[in-house]
Amino acid sequence: DIQMTQSPSSLSASVGDRVTITCRASQSISSYLNWYQQKPGKAPKLLIYAASSLQSGVPSRFSGSGSGTDFTLTISSLQPEDFATYYCQQSYNTPITFGQGTRLEIK
Amino acid sequence: EVQLLESGGGLEQPGGSLRLSCAASGFTFSSYAMSWVRQAPGKGLEWVSTIIDSGGSTYYADSVKGRFTISRDNSKNTQYLQMNNLRAEDTAVYYCAKYSWASWYHGYFQHWGQGTLVTVSS
Repeated sequence: DIQMTQSPSSLSASVGDRVTITCRASQSISSYLNWYQQKPGKAPKLLIYAASSLQSGVPSRFSGSGSGTDFTLTISSLQPEDFATYYCQQSYNTPITFGQGTRLEIK
Repeated sequence: EVQLLESGGGLEQPGGSLRLSCAASGFTFSSYAMSWVRQAPGKGLEWVSTIIDSGGSTYYADSVKGRFTISRDNSKNTQYLQMNNLRAEDTAVYYCAKYSWASWYHGYFQHWGQGTLVTVSS
């Protein structure tokens, strides 16, 4: 199975900050890496697919990059509604696997 | 607008069975793979199972293989998850998710339902 490891596990930041979350795969997954946002009590929401493609309707302050084993999700200027938990997910092979999540909290 | 509505969750004893349903609307159901993803209380996301558009191929996490069965009825725009021999560790919110295309291959979970809670406890 492909293991997905996110860092950090939690992060405190302020509105307006630039934030980067990292996801590392245990083997190369090309660009088959997706990012989701989840708020408490809500379903996850797709943000980025194929490492760097922005899902329709997602604000442009969100961006993704990387290929192979190392990927990043960047939020260019944090907004109050961005405080949530973020997950990466690989679809290179089954079983489909998620990272453990990164909780983004208000400083 | 894509809508996914799960039902069938509840409290069940260890060793028991439950059947989850996911009614889909707002897209051509028969053209997309569908999945179940679960989240134990306070934990992260765990992929459970995926079924391709035709229903001809299915995929399972090792943790549920042999106990859970995914299926779909394209005439009813509905997918199902039959869960047998339930264990305490199956306790979770179960999300229905529409995949990005017909197969599981190299895609993503494009739309999600609101989830249904399954609790396995005596």
